[in-house]
Amino acid sequence: SAVISQKPSRDICQRGTSLTIQCQVDSQVTMMFWYRQQPGQSLTLIATANQGSEATYESGFVIDKFPISRPNLTFSTLTVSNMSPEDSSIYLCSVLGGQGMDEAFFGQGTRLTVV
Amino acid sequence: GQQLNQSPQSMFIQEGEDVSMNCTSSSIFNTWLWYKQDPGEGPVLLIALYKAGELTSNGRLTAQFGITRKDSFLNISASIPSDVGIYFCAGPQGAQKLVFGQGTRLTINP
Repeated sequence: SAVISQKPSRDICQRGTSLTIQCQVDSQVTMMFWYRQQPGQSLTLIATANQGSEATYESGFVIDKFPISRPNLTFSTLTVSNMSPEDSSIYLCSVLGGQGMDEAFFGQGTRLTVV
Repeated sequence: GQQLNQSPQSMFIQEGEDVSMNCTSSSIFNTWLWYKQDPGEGPVLLIALYKAGELTSNGRLTAQFGITRKDSFLNISASIPSDVGIYFCAGPQGAQKLVFGQGTRLTINP
């Protein structure tokens, strides 16, 4: 399994500001995934980040709100822009591995609180 | 898209009791995954199932891939305090994406 490091682990931000979350993987991977977990909820995929191309966003998520960078095969960033209290969530970085490349491995997450 | 229905949503048990939770889908899955999330952490993979009917154990945890490919269950035997957390089922949705169940929150009374 991959070792995934995310930072910051938590932050409290003012509404209207932006926060960039970093994700570092200990091995080269083609795709990296960003999830949101709202309080008391399950995980929802925000986007898939591919190296060398634009990220692919899921329904309900847009690039202007959640710009993603993928400068190389081991690193990605997710920015939460123009934040509002509704953006308070845990944001998780993930990569695939395992037998059929179906198993997701996660970083420890970034707990964001917007005040 | 595919959806996973996980139940129960929460469980309150005594230490030492056995736990059972399940996940169902309206469509077929070729892989079932079970995760545990501790407070302040990301989900950690517990068991992966790849074959219909497969029964796999990981310590006190046992999971089965339903014959119909539309369900899976996770059992925890002789629960201990560190079993507390949220358990998620998950399965592939399309190419290299996962869909997650709503989660089962397990609370253990000592």
